[in-house]
Formats: sequence, structure tokens, C-alpha cells
Amino acid sequence: QVQLQESGPGLVKPSQTLSLTCTVSGGSISSGGYYWSWIRQHPGEGLEWIGSIYYSGSTYYNPSLMSRVTISKDTSKNQFSLKVNSVTAADTAVYYCARGPGITARNFDYWGQGTLVTVSS
Amino acid sequence: QSALTQPRSVSGSPGQSVTISCTGTSSDIGDYNYVSWYQQHPGKAPKLMIYDVNKRPSGVPDRFSGSKSGNTASLTISGLQAEDEADYYCCSYAGSYTYVFGSGTKVTVL
Repeated sequence: QVQLQESGPGLVKPSQTLSLTCTVSGGSISSGGYYWSWIRQHPGEGLEWIGSIYYSGSTYYNPSLMSRVTISKDTSKNQFSLKVNSVTAADTAVYYCARGPGITARNFDYWGQGTLVTVSS
Repeated sequence: QSALTQPRSVSGSPGQSVTISCTGTSSDIGDYNYVSWYQQHPGKAPKLMIYDVNKRPSGVPDRFSGSKSGNTASLTISGLQAEDEADYYCCSYAGSYTYVFGSGTKVTVL
């Protein structure tokens, strides 16, 4: 059973960088077959795909966020990370990490519990 | 890349059927058979219910079914049960390794 757990600061000041890490257990991010993704949910709103990373290091981002977002991985720790630069209040959201999409199954099948990040001074 | 359009809410009595629509464009839903649906209970992470338009992951009741016609996908819940009350989100592949989610629909069991 694959499990994902987000970690990182719950409060970030405006204009600073939001940094989150997702630790994966029960599966390896370097085994191929799946991308590993970040998805966020603004309070009371819908889901927004942020971007994905493959074990090879290939990354793909939401065009509306790609100028501020970086996703990276640390295969030795079986973790992948998210950085969002120059944050504003509009980046306040619950951030989820998820497994997917798969190479053949283009969906997100395992999710972390989510972590709330508030942008405020 | 705009969010897919879903009705804000739908409701039904126990045992009835409800259908949630998800409208996109010819660049996402209309061009790919990669529509998935997620159920989200309050304070919980989303759960995959349908993928590839109409496939169910192991463990998802067969009361849940999906379909697609043109630029619109649909999720039908048959034999509505109290535990089906939740928010539901559609998601589509949008080309160039990007994905777009729907605006979400709240399902209320009367």
C-alpha cells in the first residue's frame, strides 16, 4: 500500500518561498511507471494540478504557475518536493502530494492527507 | 487552461440515481479518453472513483459509473447511499503532460 505524507511550514510570509516535501512509503519514486504530483485546493474551492515529476527528473507544470514553481526529487530519501516562489495570499491552500499520473493510467490513485499552507505576514 | 465546468450541487433521495456533468473543451475532454473522477469527504483527501472515463478501481462500488460524449463527461451514482454525500471532482488530461480539474459538485443525500 503506497502512502504519502506532506511536510513543511504551515505559515509563509508574502513574497517568500513556500517549500513542501512529500515522503513516500510502500513504493519507490525511482521505480518508474508513475509520475509524482502536487495538487492544491484553495479554501472552499476546487482542486488545481500544480505539476508532476518522473523518476527520470522530467517535470511538467501548470502553465499558470510554471514561472514560480519547481518540483524536485531526492530518490535516496524517496521524497519529492515543491517550491513556490514569490507567494501571495492567493497561494493559501491545502497542498496535496499524489502518485500519478501513471504511464498508462492517467489518474491520481494515492494521495497524502494534505497540509494547509497560509500566506500571511 | 480553465477549470472544467461542473454543477455546483446535485441531490437525491436514498436509492435514487444522480448524474454529475463535467464540461470541458475539444482540447481536453473532447480529445482524450483520460477522464477521472474523485470523491472528497469534508477534511479528507480526494479518492479515485473512476478513471479512463468509465473504469473503476478495485474496491469502488459498481454503483459508480462514468461516461463521455463529446466535450462532456458524466459520473452517475445509482442506488444513492448516505455515505455518497461528498464533493466530487472530474479531471481530464489536457495534452502536453498537463491536467485540469473540474470546479466540483456537492452531492447531497436527502
